[in-house]
Amino acid sequence: GENVEQHPSTLSVQEGDSAVIKCTYSDSASNYFPWYKQELGKRPQLIIDIRSNVGEKKDQRIAVTLNKTAKHFSLHITETQPEDSAVYFCAASTNRNDMRFGAGTRLTVKP
Amino acid sequence: GAGVSQSPRYKVAKRGQDVALRCDPISGHVSLFWYQQALGQGPEFLTYFQNEAQLDKSGLPSDRFFAERPEGSVSTLKIQRTQQEDSAVYLCASSSRVVLGKNIQYFGAGTRLSVL
Repeated sequence: GENVEQHPSTLSVQEGDSAVIKCTYSDSASNYFPWYKQELGKRPQLIIDIRSNVGEKKDQRIAVTLNKTAKHFSLHITETQPEDSAVYFCAASTNRNDMRFGAGTRLTVKP
Repeated sequence: GAGVSQSPRYKVAKRGQDVALRCDPISGHVSLFWYQQALGQGPEFLTYFQNEAQLDKSGLPSDRFFAERPEGSVSTLKIQRTQQEDSAVYLCASSSRVVLGKNIQYFGAGTRLSVL
């Protein structure tokens, strides 16, 4: 089955700096890669996603890149703000609806 | 309702007790997923329904775990003879059909289960 690995497990940046979180996946059939943000005690919320026919997608300060050959994808947050502090999860899914999540990255943005 | 609703939000159980966790998906969503999230970890897949059919239960950790969705809407995750290692947040998510290769899952707030 699919195995998703995520790095780093914790990340601390200064407000205004960029943050990058990386994930790798094992199932070459995976074709959908969402990123979720989970604040303490709250539900995971989708922040951006990318399909396998696209190499990059951007939404304001957030961007995701995908390298299908290497089976890795990354989340980039620019101009970080304290409210970006949360746990971020990557995930990978095939057409079989079998989404698997990474272990998460705890991002802390210091004011 | 407007989103995925789970109840109860918190459940404390004595070891050996049976528990039932409920999930109300977004109206009209065909797919429903259960995940187990241990402290500091990502959601771990448990099982998946498409309408009333349980298509994948490969993530259920033991035969003490059972899930059902008899009418293709509300789902119940039942854990029999709870053990301390079952303590976790149980998340439910629902999605509509895969559209243009996307399987967007919307999560409930979860049920935090503590087994004493």
